Amino acid sequence: KAGVTQTPRYLIKTRGQQVTLSCSPISGHRSVSWYQQTPGQGLQFLFEYFSETQRNKGNFPGRFSGRQFSNSRSEMNVSTLELGDSALYLCASSLDGTGAEQYFGPGTRLTVT
Amino acid sequence: EDQVTQSPEALRLQEGESSSLNCSYTVSGLRGLFWYRQDPGKGPEFLFTLYSAGEEKEKERLKATLTKKESFLHITAPKPEDSATYLCAVHRGAGNKLTFGGGTRVLVKP
Repeated sequence: KAGVTQTPRYLIKTRGQQVTLSCSPISGHRSVSWYQQTPGQGLQFLFEYFSETQRNKGNFPGRFSGRQFSNSRSEMNVSTLELGDSALYLCASSLDGTGAEQYFGPGTRLTVT
Repeated sequence: EDQVTQSPEALRLQEGESSSLNCSYTVSGLRGLFWYRQDPGKGPEFLFTLYSAGEEKEKERLKATLTKKESFLHITAPKPEDSATYLCAVHRGAGNKLTFGGGTRVLVKP
């Protein structure tokens, strides 16, 4: 089975711009979660989507948003980028919403200048 | 609020020198504790899920155990390829939100 894929892998943006990141989960998986990883804060939960509905949301400002499509693919959007948004953005795929194993993609490295 | 603390932050081992990593947690209603391995520039790789105190799981040179307050990841006779950051995370409540610890960076020297 193919693993979790994320595109693009690397991205450089300027402050004030917006960005959209994409995640394709493992085939058959219906839950996608997004995490931000930085050296200072570690891995922090952004939000989770299951069957096109946002089920959980972390403590991030409204500039961070996401959605899930009927084929379970997910996108996250960050508007009005700030320097502090520079991070590795990871998505995790899970079969369902019961706390089963989550499998991570390789991440998108976002640099904001 | 869920809290997960990993220690030590970094560990340098000689090849063959066994050791243990600690993950202590404060969670109300733990549903599962996860261990992941992360190599530089890559996403975390799933290792184990533990669901109840007393449970143990093994994979090659790794063995994970769980008590009501902490989990240990034992690395037996490590090899250089075991060098990585090891992350633990807790799951509670509905959905799939994981709360991660800060990780332990392990370096195994030949």
